[in-house]
Amino acid sequence: QQQVKQSPQSLIVQKGGISIINCAYENTAFDYFPWYQQFPGKGPALLIAIRPDVSEKKEGRFTISFNKSAKQFSLHIMDSQPGDSATYFCAASRGGADGLTFGKGTHLIIQP
Amino acid sequence: DADVTQTPRNRITKTGKRIMLECSQTKGHDRMYWYRQDPGLGLRLIYYSFDVKDINKGEISDGYSVSRQAQAKFSLSLESAIPNQTALYFCAPYRDKNEKLFFGSGTQLSVL
Repeated sequence: QQQVKQSPQSLIVQKGGISIINCAYENTAFDYFPWYQQFPGKGPALLIAIRPDVSEKKEGRFTISFNKSAKQFSLHIMDSQPGDSATYFCAASRGGADGLTFGKGTHLIIQP
Repeated sequence: DADVTQTPRNRITKTGKRIMLECSQTKGHDRMYWYRQDPGLGLRLIYYSFDVKDINKGEISDGYSVSRQAQAKFSLSLESAIPNQTALYFCAPYRDKNEKLFFGSGTQLSVL
């Protein structure tokens, strides 16, 4: 059973555009929702995270939108740059105790 | 990041061989996790440990075992490697409440 579903699998965006990646979860006990960014040859690195008590969190060009009733959250990358080209993973956890459950990832390409 | 060291970085082995992947961390984190990454499947949790006496199975523990030799060291073993265990393996200590997991650079394992 896939508890975190991520879409799209791949995404191509023009430089300066908005990149949007979506995730949906099933377990209502999840209380922490991070996004990780991974460059080739590197481990995933935390990009931004949100808890369900807020509907939006912004850090620079990166924004998480969270919809608790729909059990969905999304990552928006404003003014996308070629350096943002990477694989992005959404994830969720329950109380932090038993690790993160990851989506399958989105391969993002920003075209110059 | 020097916080987490995984060895080896790359390993090629044959079906049926026993292999150990090692992980060490320098920051004294209590919790440590092993994930495997497969293209298109995201990251899946294999085992995790809260301290040297506490080992827990993750989503895909079959065919794997772990050893927490010390707070700083958490090893993953494949008792009898099979080709579908070919994957990128990550060790991840739990850094702090805000960052959750910090991933090492990974071990690329190929089982022929």
